[in-house]
Amino acid sequence: DAGVTQSPTHLIKTRGQQVTLRCSPKSGHDTVSWYQQALGQGPQFIFQYYEEEERQRGNFPDRFSGHQFPNYSSELNVNALLLGDSALYLCASSLLQGTYEQYFGPGTRLTVT
Amino acid sequence: AQSVTQLDSQVPVFEEAPVELRCNYSSSVSVYLFWYVQYPNQGLQLLLKYLSGSTLVKGINGFEAEFNKSQTSFHLRKPSVHISDTAGYFCAVSMIYNQGGKLIFGQGTELSVKP
Repeated sequence: DAGVTQSPTHLIKTRGQQVTLRCSPKSGHDTVSWYQQALGQGPQFIFQYYEEEERQRGNFPDRFSGHQFPNYSSELNVNALLLGDSALYLCASSLLQGTYEQYFGPGTRLTVT
Repeated sequence: AQSVTQLDSQVPVFEEAPVELRCNYSSSVSVYLFWYVQYPNQGLQLLLKYLSGSTLVKGINGFEAEFNKSQTSFHLRKPSVHISDTAGYFCAVSMIYNQGGKLIFGQGTELSVKP
């Protein structure tokens, strides 16, 4: 059983560019959450998707947007990249009516130069 | 608002010694509590969780944690650590009313086990 997968593993972008990160949830899960983890910090919640709708959102600007597809996979889009967007982006999947446990993927390391 | 404080950013310890990683939280509503581990260049793995019931929770890899409601703490312990326990450890809470909702993490504690 494949766990949560994310692509790409690493990414280097220039300020002002746009980026799309992808996540496939664990089999059987219907909810996807995205977190940003800056170096040496704990993860910060960006948003959560359930039934293709944004269910919750953290304190991130509108430059951060997302999407969930009918197969429950998800994308995170970031526009007008800033140097401060450099971080590890973690995707977590869960079952909304489940045991409240979120399973994390390995993350995508984004570097903005 | 909810917040999580991990009191030690780094904890060095010798192999086979006991360790305690401290976590305090602040919340006006009831929460669930979690500890995650992050090995270098990897994502987060759940060590243990407290949802209800016994306040002493046992997790994977020999770790356990005790929920103390009066002190709003959820400290993580292991009686004897191994080199392989070297990693980042993150305490997190989620609000009970917000079923399956966001996790709020602490800043993390880097555990360094020395031979």
